[in-house]
Amino acid sequence: GAGVSQSPSNKVTEKGKDVELRCDPISGHTALYWYRQSLGQGLEFLIYFQGNSAPDKSGLPSDRFSAERTGGSVSTLTIQRTQQEDSAVYLCASSIITGDVYGYTFGSGTRLTVV
Amino acid sequence: SQQGEEDPQALSIQEGENATMNCSYKTSINNLQWYRQNSGRGLVHLILIRSNEREKHSGRLRVTLDTSKKSSSLLITASRAADTASYFCATTDSWGKLQFGAGTQVVVTP
Repeated sequence: GAGVSQSPSNKVTEKGKDVELRCDPISGHTALYWYRQSLGQGLEFLIYFQGNSAPDKSGLPSDRFSAERTGGSVSTLTIQRTQQEDSAVYLCASSIITGDVYGYTFGSGTRLTVV
Repeated sequence: SQQGEEDPQALSIQEGENATMNCSYKTSINNLQWYRQNSGRGLVHLILIRSNEREKHSGRLRVTLDTSKKSSSLLITASRAADTASYFCATTDSWGKLQFGAGTQVVVTP
């Protein structure tokens, strides 16, 4: 596609439920990043993929968070047993290569609300 | 944790004035980028400056980088109401990991 696509755009879930967030990067972009942004805050790095492997998972807040990428394309971020503090906008970005001098293209994000 | 800190946290100016915001970071970088975010959703890449560059221009934007002080500044000249947004700096290390500062909220009033 022309841009980075994230789905759903909004998700309301009950505390304790599992959620899956999807990111479809720009075709051909090998690097994919997940960030979390709480209301009025900066972006918190979660994880990034180079191809299907994740060299850096250091930002995942707890073992309830996991992410995978298949076929070097679509990525899913899974949050198990959601908590209210998980409420945030989850942003995905992709780039042709890591350290891409043309910058990174961001999706519009998934706004997750845990009630 | 955030890689960098932005200063000021918020900036209010009138149309036509210049807006300057600063970013400091902690570790060695490959390059530094500035992004704009409207309404808390999508980020738009504005400009990238490499670690061996000191200044870069793009339209009404001017970015400087001082690697000895681990700091960068973004200047928006002749600001417009449409420039109202949050501005973030982000650094890339040799592994390509992109880390953001906390952002500066800019409000431009007509």
